[in-house]
Amino acid sequence: EDKVVQSPLSLVVHEGDTVTLNCSYEVTNFRSLLWYKQEKKAPTFLFMLTSSGIEKKSGRLSSILDKKELFSILNITATQTGDSAVYLCAANAGGTSYGKLTFGQGTILTVHP
Amino acid sequence: DTGVSQNPRHKITKRGQNVTFRCDPISEHNRLYWYRQTLGQGPEFLTYFQNEAQLEKSRLLSDRFSAERPKGSFSTLEIQRTEQGDSAMYLCASSLDRGGGTGELFFGEGSRLTVL
Repeated sequence: EDKVVQSPLSLVVHEGDTVTLNCSYEVTNFRSLLWYKQEKKAPTFLFMLTSSGIEKKSGRLSSILDKKELFSILNITATQTGDSAVYLCAANAGGTSYGKLTFGQGTILTVHP
Repeated sequence: DTGVSQNPRHKITKRGQNVTFRCDPISEHNRLYWYRQTLGQGPEFLTYFQNEAQLEKSRLLSDRFSAERPKGSFSTLEIQRTEQGDSAMYLCASSLDRGGGTGELFFGEGSRLTVL
């Protein structure tokens, strides 16, 4: 059975801190790894990773995938209170199951002023 | 608004009643997905459609659940004889599959179900 595990489950930091969120996966016929941010409503897309070792960046957020060790990390530098949210990692299978995302349980990030 | 639209946003019902949720995907998207999310958990896959064809259903989708996408546009998710364990957020998502697509799903705001 496909499985995605995120750690830590929750994290409390102060503004300006840097955080690293972890995601490990076991997915048959793996195709891509996605990160979403969820703030009390719909998950919003952050990154999609398909290749190992290639960092994707968007402002203060960056992410990288290791397909050999089956994990990904999401880094947020100079955190702000607006970064407080649940960060979800999801693995996308290929073949006929393409688009069927298996989500982790999420990491709850709280950024204090 | 051109995003994924779901309604109703909230539904409170008594155990044993039937409920139906509707999802309108982004107009050019050919794939539509239903997920369920309970408090403190990530979304769990329920089912998905490629155009009007339902291609896969999770084991989570008991025989009380049925989903349709009759014309390959909007979709409905019906839960019959609701149980308290059905209380959750039901998320709809859509994507454009070009036969090698990005896999990026766009989610709606969700329909929150509370079964009393």
